[in-house]
Amino acid sequence: ETTLTQSPAFMSATPGDKVNISCKASQDIDDDLNWYQQKPGDTTIFLIQEATTLVPGIPPRFSGSGYGTDFTLTINNIQSEDAAYYFCLQHDNFPLTFGQGTKVEIK
Amino acid sequence: EVHLVESGGGLVQPGGSLRLSCAASGFTLRSYEMNWVRQAPGKGLEWVSYISSSGSVIHYADSVKGRFTISKDTAKNSLFLQMNSLRADDTAVYYCVRGVAGDYWGQGTLVTVSS
Repeated sequence: ETTLTQSPAFMSATPGDKVNISCKASQDIDDDLNWYQQKPGDTTIFLIQEATTLVPGIPPRFSGSGYGTDFTLTINNIQSEDAAYYFCLQHDNFPLTFGQGTKVEIK
Repeated sequence: EVHLVESGGGLVQPGGSLRLSCAASGFTLRSYEMNWVRQAPGKGLEWVSYISSSGSVIHYADSVKGRFTISKDTAKNSLFLQMNSLRADDTAVYYCVRGVAGDYWGQGTLVTVSS
């Protein structure tokens, strides 16, 4: 089973900041990692696929990087509407596994 | 437009059963793999089960193997999760998710297992 270690668990940012969220896999998963945004009461939003590809319709301030075991979600020029819970998912092997999630607060 | 709408959640006693449904629209289940994923209150996400587009390949998390059954009805374009022998630690919001990559998620249905 592939364990995903996501950090930090919580972060507070100011509008305009650049934010990085890390997801480390316990084994090589190539680029089979996706990033999502979840807000209370809203549908989960698919942000980044295959580690680096921005999903159509997602603002370009979101980006993903990494391959193998180390991955990062970056939010440039963070906006108030980006306050949410973010998590990663690996789909390289079963069982599919998730990072523990990061709650992002905007000051 | 793709929509996934879960239903069937509720309060059930330990040892009881529930059947969750996920009505899909905007695409045909016959062409897509599907998953159930759950999130316990205040906890992270946990993958529960997978079914291939043809229905011939099925996987379960160890925590639900032997108790839960995933299925789909392509005529109704619906996905199901039959949950038996429910335990308190099955309490969670259950999400229907399209594809192994998880490109679309439903809003979830809450299952509470409690006496």
